[in-house]
Amino acid sequence: NAGVTQTPKFRILKIGQSMTLQCTQDMNHNYMYWYRQDPGMGLKLIYYSVGAGITDKGEVPNGYNVSRSTTEDFPLRLELAAPSQTSVYFCASSSPLRQGTDTQYFGPGTRLTVL
Amino acid sequence: KQEVTQIPAALSVPEGENLVLNCSFTDSAIYNLQWFRQDPGKGLTSLLLIQSSQREQTSGRLNASLDKSSGRSTLYIAASQPGDSATYLCAVGVGSSTLGRLYFGRGTQLTVWP
Repeated sequence: NAGVTQTPKFRILKIGQSMTLQCTQDMNHNYMYWYRQDPGMGLKLIYYSVGAGITDKGEVPNGYNVSRSTTEDFPLRLELAAPSQTSVYFCASSSPLRQGTDTQYFGPGTRLTVL
Repeated sequence: KQEVTQIPAALSVPEGENLVLNCSFTDSAIYNLQWFRQDPGKGLTSLLLIQSSQREQTSGRLNASLDKSSGRSTLYIAASQPGDSATYLCAVGVGSSTLGRLYFGRGTQLTVWP
């Protein structure tokens, strides 16, 4: 299993440009998440999904959109890039069997710079 | 809102030392607590997960404890090695039985020198 894969690894955007960060998992996990990590800070949840066709907002959703058409894929869309979106973006997945045993598996991250 | 604090922010120790990383959280209504390791330029790797009903978990040289009532957790690393150098993140799980959200601390950057 490859686990959670993310593309691209690095990207530089100009203000106002758009892009999609890709995330794919091959563990048949039904839960998927997008986080951002600013320098020296912890991770903050952007959006999450509990299954195909179901998404919801996390702590910091403004400026982002997501979709979940398949179990494997959970792309994150930035419509109008702003310097405040410069960050490292992590995708994660999990398959909680019951409350209290959820372990999230993380991808390697996408480092995004908006200039 | 849940706030997670990790102390110290950075720690530098010689190889072989036993060390303790601290994590505190403001809301004791959690359903689990996890410790992650993050290597530079890499994603997070789960080290230990403690359910809210448990007091501690052990894996090899790592031991994590949880005191929900006081809002504290510690990660104990025995006989530290240079390969332990990384950032250690604490995260608490908050939410319902169908979906929990993780709230992360800022991490402790550990350096173990030979």
